[in-house]
Amino acid sequence: NAGVTQTPKFQVLKTGQSMTLQCAQDMNHEYMSWYRQDPGMGLRLIHYSVGAGITDQGEVPNGYNVSRSTTEDFPLRLLSAAPSQTSVYFCASSYLGTANTGELFFGEGSRLTVL
Amino acid sequence: GEDVEQSLFLSVREGDSSVINCTYTDSSSTYLYWYKQEPGAGLQLLTYIFSNMDMKQDQRLTVLLNKKDKHLSLRIADTQTGDSAIYFCAEKAGTYKYIFGTGTRLKVLA
Repeated sequence: NAGVTQTPKFQVLKTGQSMTLQCAQDMNHEYMSWYRQDPGMGLRLIHYSVGAGITDQGEVPNGYNVSRSTTEDFPLRLLSAAPSQTSVYFCASSYLGTANTGELFFGEGSRLTVL
Repeated sequence: GEDVEQSLFLSVREGDSSVINCTYTDSSSTYLYWYKQEPGAGLQLLTYIFSNMDMKQDQRLTVLLNKKDKHLSLRIADTQTGDSAIYFCAEKAGTYKYIFGTGTRLKVLA
């Protein structure tokens, strides 16, 4: 049971570099999202998607891009990394619909350091 | 504004009960959740409660919901060292919107 898979687990970047965090789920979830976790701030939503071809901004979208070309994949792109983007990033997915509890399934996280 | 608040730390002795508290702001939330995060791992759902319930019990876990005060609590009976983790309160504040608290770090002393 793969669930939600994130890669890479760890990454160090220099300021100005770009990179993509990968997220894949095998549960046929419509909803996928990216959060960042910072000490004392809990989880903050970056971007989310409710289906292939549909994305929307969350609470802290600046500096990040997403796309959803398939149901399974939801990559997060940092176009020009900044030290303020040093964080732990989590991908999470869920079924949609009122019949569901809305439980989010999380990946194991990607720890990013920007120097 | 929308916010979910939790205390940052809680320390208990093994075998005692732990109570983690949370306050939320969106009265229209349909579900409220408790997630557990162990070191170096993602969050996993521990339990949830539907907004029309006052209490939910699941083995050692008891969730209490006071909608009037917008207060949610998680009680862990007979706390074990394996319960040491960060516990997040979260609310489903819309079809696509989840709001998480800052997390409470529970330390269980042997």
